[in-house]
Amino acid sequence: DAGITQSPRHKVTETGTPVTLRCHQTENHRYMYWYRQDPGHGLRLIHYSYGVKDTDKGEVSDGYSVSRSKTEDFLLTLESATSSQTSVYFCAISELDRSYEQYFGPGTRLTVT
Amino acid sequence: QKEVEQNSGPLSVPEGAIASLNCTYSDRGSQSFFWYRQYSGKSPELIMFIYSNGDKEDGRFTAQLNKASQYVSLLIRDSQPSDSATYLCAILYNAGNMLTFGGGTRLMVKP
Repeated sequence: DAGITQSPRHKVTETGTPVTLRCHQTENHRYMYWYRQDPGHGLRLIHYSYGVKDTDKGEVSDGYSVSRSKTEDFLLTLESATSSQTSVYFCAISELDRSYEQYFGPGTRLTVT
Repeated sequence: QKEVEQNSGPLSVPEGAIASLNCTYSDRGSQSFFWYRQYSGKSPELIMFIYSNGDKEDGRFTAQLNKASQYVSLLIRDSQPSDSATYLCAILYNAGNMLTFGGGTRLMVKP
């Protein structure tokens, strides 16, 4: 998985609780992304980062926040989890050369009850 | 709204046949095109990318791009049961550095 780890890999939480997912890379890539994947919707971008402390919103950012204090770590926080945020969350990395190819982590399966 | 459309399938082909997967997109301001393969329960993995009109071959895989008609396709020759997976089309538009993904096509290769 191109030197990308995600933690936890599985989590069950209750509605209304905050949740933080971690993405860690060993590739020193500049760009990091958080996606969610749901049946019928494919992969949708939540937030991305183009450097330490530099982040921007994606297509489905409501209810999520991110932080990147180090090149290797990108955190996704669900401020108050809802059942609609039950999903599989993928982190991805890329380096801006000519190709913009993204490489994905193993994913985190989150269930909000 | 930038849209990327794929038939969800399943597309069923016999072993040894050519599988043809198609993707259409709505915005002509597109730059780069990617095909990812995703096995059930796993993360997507990049298998091909293409930038220019025409064909690009890599082993049993051929990506075809036609910008005038706004479609990109992936051909898999000599399909194997191990090719059974969901194939995601993704597009990088000129205006940004974010990929827009289609919903994926599930391919089933039957022995």
